[in-house]
Amino acid sequence: RKEVEQDPGPFNVPEGATVAFNCTYSNSASQSFFWYRQDCRKEPKLLMSVYSSGNEDGRFTAQLNRASQYISLLIRDSKLSDSATYLCVVNVGFQKLVFGTGTRLLVSP
Amino acid sequence: DGGITQSPKYLFRKEGQNVTLSCEQNLNHDAMYWYRQDPGQGLRLIYYSQIVNDFQKGDIAEGYSVSREKKESFPLTVTSAQKNPTAFYLCASSTDGSYEQYFGPGTRLTVT
Repeated sequence: RKEVEQDPGPFNVPEGATVAFNCTYSNSASQSFFWYRQDCRKEPKLLMSVYSSGNEDGRFTAQLNRASQYISLLIRDSKLSDSATYLCVVNVGFQKLVFGTGTRLLVSP
Repeated sequence: DGGITQSPKYLFRKEGQNVTLSCEQNLNHDAMYWYRQDPGQGLRLIYYSQIVNDFQKGDIAEGYSVSREKKESFPLTVTSAQKNPTAFYLCASSTDGSYEQYFGPGTRLTVT
């Protein structure tokens, strides 16, 4: 089983739609979780950390489900500029992160 | 402006040549990392360094070498022993004790 698994997509949604991505992880000892955004041929950029209680940043909401070992990212009111690949990232040891292969989102007019 | 810089953005080399990729940060971060990204794959850790003059191998260190003589700098050398060196190379840094990593713009290396 891969350490971090994501649906590669693409998820094709119209502007204004709500879309959600899930990501599963295999290491039950993981304590830190993140979502990064990566535009085509660019570096990943930290979108948000995922806390046990869940967290929200504007149109973005991240949730953690430790029992089922998955994290989710919800994007409300999608914008064209949200089109990107979203990387699920999980720590698997001291200072060590594992990156998922990403879920591609395409928002159309 | 604080940030991480990588140079060059694109690099072309012939097989059999060693090449060194630059990574500099002025964020005062203690930890620095090198990853490579191949199409359709997640980022894979090559080397990381938590402190000056110390570094550890990541998951795919074979064919690579690094040094950490200054806090701000963590250059990566891709040696001729690396079998498939063509990739997108990303440098990142983080503060001590934090898992939040911040990336430089990357270097695309093509070896023919």
